[in-house]
Amino acid sequence: KQEVTQIPAALSVPEGENLVLNCSFTDSAIYNLQWFRQDPGKGLTSLLLIQSSQREQTSGRLNASLDKSSGRSTLYIAASQPGDSATYLCAVRRIRSSNTGKLIFGQGTTLQVKP
Amino acid sequence: DGGITQSPKYLFRKEGQNVTLSCEQNLNHDAMYWYRQDPGQGLRLIYYSQIVNDFQKGDIAEGYSVSREKKESFPLTVTSAQKNPTAFYLCASTLAGTSTDTQYFGPGTRLTVL
Repeated sequence: KQEVTQIPAALSVPEGENLVLNCSFTDSAIYNLQWFRQDPGKGLTSLLLIQSSQREQTSGRLNASLDKSSGRSTLYIAASQPGDSATYLCAVRRIRSSNTGKLIFGQGTTLQVKP
Repeated sequence: DGGITQSPKYLFRKEGQNVTLSCEQNLNHDAMYWYRQDPGQGLRLIYYSQIVNDFQKGDIAEGYSVSREKKESFPLTVTSAQKNPTAFYLCASTLAGTSTDTQYFGPGTRLTVL
């Protein structure tokens, strides 16, 4: 059974700091991994999607890495801003679910960036 | 504008009532999904549908029902059999059959049992 874990559950940093959010998964047979952002009381917005054959993806100040063999992914946020405050969730799509699109989510890390 | 809409934003249910949550998308996506989110937790899959008139149970389908009569619509009914329905419900859709497909989410419906 695939389990996805995100540690820490919450993180508070001063503005301008570089930070890393962690995601681990128990079964390396994944099709892809996605990072999402969720603002309070809102839906999810996709940030980055990494295919199982890729090592990293970048979008602006965000960089996501994937190490399938160790079952880990990290989301690196450079020069954090108060607008980055949100909950960040990672989700994996298993190979066995490649034709259904089913995702398994971690519980999220709530980030607060203080001005 | 293309996207996913959910209504209502807030919903209150009395004990023993069935309620239906609406989800509509104009993205021409084939697959649609319903998730439940509880405080401090990730999303759990309730039901999903890959084509019209077909749907499958997710991990926590008990006490819920769905229909997929039109490609753009995937309503979720929370029945009286669902013992703890208070949660945030999210609908998503994706264009099936591509390797880089991502799920697009609606704004959510917060359901509270009175």
